Amino acid sequence: SYVLTQPPSVSVPPGQTARIPCGGNNIGSKSVHWYQLKPGQAPVVVVYDDSDRPSGIPERFSGSNSGSTATLTISRVEAGDEADYYCQVWDSSSDHPVFGGGTKLTVL
Amino acid sequence: QVQLVQSGPEVKKPGASVKVSCKASGYSISTYGVTWVRQAPGQGLEWMGWISSHNANTNYAQKLQGRVTMTTDTSTSTTYMELRSLRSDDTAFYYCARHQGDYGDYYFDYWGQGTLVTVSS
Repeated sequence: SYVLTQPPSVSVPPGQTARIPCGGNNIGSKSVHWYQLKPGQAPVVVVYDDSDRPSGIPERFSGSNSGSTATLTISRVEAGDEADYYCQVWDSSSDHPVFGGGTKLTVL
Repeated sequence: QVQLVQSGPEVKKPGASVKVSCKASGYSISTYGVTWVRQAPGQGLEWMGWISSHNANTNYAQKLQGRVTMTTDTSTSTTYMELRSLRSDDTAFYYCARHQGDYGDYYFDYWGQGTLVTVSS
């Protein structure tokens, strides 16, 4: 089945830009969605359909998708952005969602 | 406003069953499918299965086939996930999540608060 690959961790100083990649075979042909997961809280979608942002999500969160890599970009990173981030696509061949392994964002 | 409210924490012995509920409000449960996802301690998100809003069709993760059942009671706007023959590695937070978007490109716009299921002898 379809596999999504994320680095286990990304670290950035506050105020800098964090980029979290999500690799998959020809992922550019799929819609990619991103979730933020903080301890003790339910996941929150921060980007959907590659680059759209739900209401209430800061403009600092953006997404792109091309070729074999989708990327979640968080500009002007804040301490409150520290969380695990998961990418997700829907695998049409098996008709179910696939999640990446998750990336822990650490704000130094 | 849209809310998914799950049942409370459960402690079960190995071999037992657990049934977690997910009550929807603020929208018609007949309009959106529901996916169940779990997260074991220190692990990532694992898809368990989904149930369709239209015809109650289901699709379960292969590793859980035969142990999991998802149902919907439209009269109470509640979706259920039952997991049988529990093992210690079923210990996890269990989440329900509402489908959103186009068929074949679904994402999850609203999530339940999570239910901790602990399996221990």
